[in-house]
Amino acid sequence: GAVVSQHPSRVICKSGTSVKIECRSLDFQATTMFWYRQFPKQSLMLMATSNEGSKATYEQGVEKDKFLINHASLTLSTLTVTSAHPEDSSFYICSARSGQGARGYTFGSGTRLTVV
Amino acid sequence: AQKITQTQPGMFVQEKEAVTLDCTYDTSDQSYGLFWYKQPSSGEMIFLIYQGSYDEQNATEGRYSLNFQKARKSANLVISASQLGDSAMYFCAMSLGYSSASKIIFGSGTRLSIRP
Repeated sequence: GAVVSQHPSRVICKSGTSVKIECRSLDFQATTMFWYRQFPKQSLMLMATSNEGSKATYEQGVEKDKFLINHASLTLSTLTVTSAHPEDSSFYICSARSGQGARGYTFGSGTRLTVV
Repeated sequence: AQKITQTQPGMFVQEKEAVTLDCTYDTSDQSYGLFWYKQPSSGEMIFLIYQGSYDEQNATEGRYSLNFQKARKSANLVISASQLGDSAMYFCAMSLGYSSASKIIFGSGTRLSIRP
């Protein structure tokens, strides 16, 4: 079946530094990927829609300059958290349309970011 | 505005009993999809079941069935013969449209705990 590989699974970084999270579709081409953020014991909140070869579409309230999304190829989308602060600590997870009809959404395994 | 509502923050069920997790949705679109995902403590999102808005029959996947009441805008998940491994967070979700760029929004989730 369709697989999305997300790395790293866990990262700890110092406040003020930037962190890059990668999501790669292994056996299919993903023209669209979605990035979510999940705080502890809360739901997944959509941050942005990543489109191959074009600018990402951000949800209301999400800072574009803080959460940089790049989707340069049909198999790779990256999320960079710039100048990270402790309040950016969260679980980030990506999802891609895997071409299995209307139900075809495949999720990465998630990245737990801790900013100290 | 599109919205998913899960009114049960937590549920306890005896092993081998059936359990129903509630989900209501709100959308003015005619084309949409409804999903249920399981999220164990590891964080991965496990797809359980899908129902398209035009599907006339309720979806079933093994021990999972989706009770789709379109007029009431409800999409409850029924798990038959619950197992200890079913203990996890469960999210109801909705895709808006059927295009490759259709995003998924999530409800607040229900934490299911199975008692031995």
